[in-house]
Amino acid sequence: EAGVTQSPRYAVLQEGQAVSFWCDPISGHDTLYWYQQPRDQGPQLLVYFRDEAVIDNSQLPSDRFSAVRPKGTNSTLKIQSAKQGDTATYLCASSRDWGHYEQYFGPGTRLTVL
Amino acid sequence: QEKVQQSPESLIVPEGAMSSLNCTFSNSASQSIWWYQQHPGKGPEALISIFSNGNKKEGRLTVYLNRASLHVSLHIRDSQPSDSAVYLCAANNNAGAKLTFGGGTRLTVRP
Repeated sequence: EAGVTQSPRYAVLQEGQAVSFWCDPISGHDTLYWYQQPRDQGPQLLVYFRDEAVIDNSQLPSDRFSAVRPKGTNSTLKIQSAKQGDTATYLCASSRDWGHYEQYFGPGTRLTVL
Repeated sequence: QEKVQQSPESLIVPEGAMSSLNCTFSNSASQSIWWYQQHPGKGPEALISIFSNGNKKEGRLTVYLNRASLHVSLHIRDSQPSDSAVYLCAANNNAGAKLTFGGGTRLTVRP
């Protein structure tokens, strides 16, 4: 079974530039999560979906961040105008169902904003 | 909002020793507590979870959960250099879908 895949693995931007991250979850997993992990900190949940529906995006900086999962499979997280404070690793995870099921993480995209 | 704190921030043990990691959480109604392992440049990987008060053992890992004191610990018996990684504690919310992570403990096992 293929794991969660993410691309790109690395991104370097100037402040004000836009960037998109792409995630392909494990086949059959209906719940998908995006986390932000600053260096030397734990992951912090940004948004999560069940199928194509956003369940909770309360931690997403809505003025610059957006996330979609149009067909309930792959997902894209976009930062419209990056700031230095967005420098972090962006992790995607999926789980079989919501509840007490294990979340499987991708390798992440390491973003540096100069 | 759930808060999860881990201690120590860093732990160095010799090969073959027991490694003990601690975690406190703020909501006694949290459904379950998970421990994840994260190697450099990789995403976290689940090691073990516990739902009920008491302990759970899997291989070299033992987890103890005390809901009254909002405390959970992870013990790694016979630690190996390959166990060197960051260990993350996470609490499920009441609905079960959201995980709140602590800041992590960096474990180094010296050969």
